Amino acid sequence: KQEVTQIPAALSVPEGENLVLNCSFTDSAIYNLQWFRQDPGKGLTSLLLIQSSQREQTSGRLNASLDKSSGRSTLYIAASQPGDSATYLCAVLPPDTGNQFYFGTGTSLTVIP
Amino acid sequence: DAGVIQSPRHEVTEMGQEVTLRCKPISGHNSLFWYRQTMMRGLELLIYFNNNVPIDDSGMPEDRFSAKMPNASFSTLKIQPSEPRDSAVYFCASRHRGRRAFFGQGTRLTVV
Repeated sequence: KQEVTQIPAALSVPEGENLVLNCSFTDSAIYNLQWFRQDPGKGLTSLLLIQSSQREQTSGRLNASLDKSSGRSTLYIAASQPGDSATYLCAVLPPDTGNQFYFGTGTSLTVIP
Repeated sequence: DAGVIQSPRHEVTEMGQEVTLRCKPISGHNSLFWYRQTMMRGLELLIYFNNNVPIDDSGMPEDRFSAKMPNASFSTLKIQPSEPRDSAVYFCASRHRGRRAFFGQGTRLTVV
């Protein structure tokens, strides 16, 4: 069974700093990996999806990378803002696209003004 | 598209009562997922459907929980009878094949 880990569980940075969130998975046979953001009391918002054939995806100040061989993905946030404060979760989809996806435990990010 | 729509947004009920949560997935999506989220356990997958067929319900905690998907545009999660430990936020998500998954805003359930 795929296991997904996110470290650290919580992160606090000053505004303007660049930061990296980490996601590790145990089985490198994946179809894709998705990063989500969750604000307190809200649902999950999809940020980026990386197909297994890709190495990275970019959206605005966000850049996600994928290294299947090492079982790792990173989410890079440039020039962080207080509005980036949220919990970030990664989810891995196994090769069978009709299968469930596995979530990490999340990283709670606080950007201090 | 309006996204994944869940109702109600909030539900407060007394222990022992039946609770029904509803979900309308994004049109054209063929997979639907029900999750439960608590502070203690995080996100837990309860059950998921492919093409309206339940594929894996191993996450359903007890026989008190049941889920149906009578057609491609509607699913329900029912708890009967409800218990205080069922209090959580219940999310529905949908996806088309291996593409991006989208979540609803959730139903916050409180059982008193």
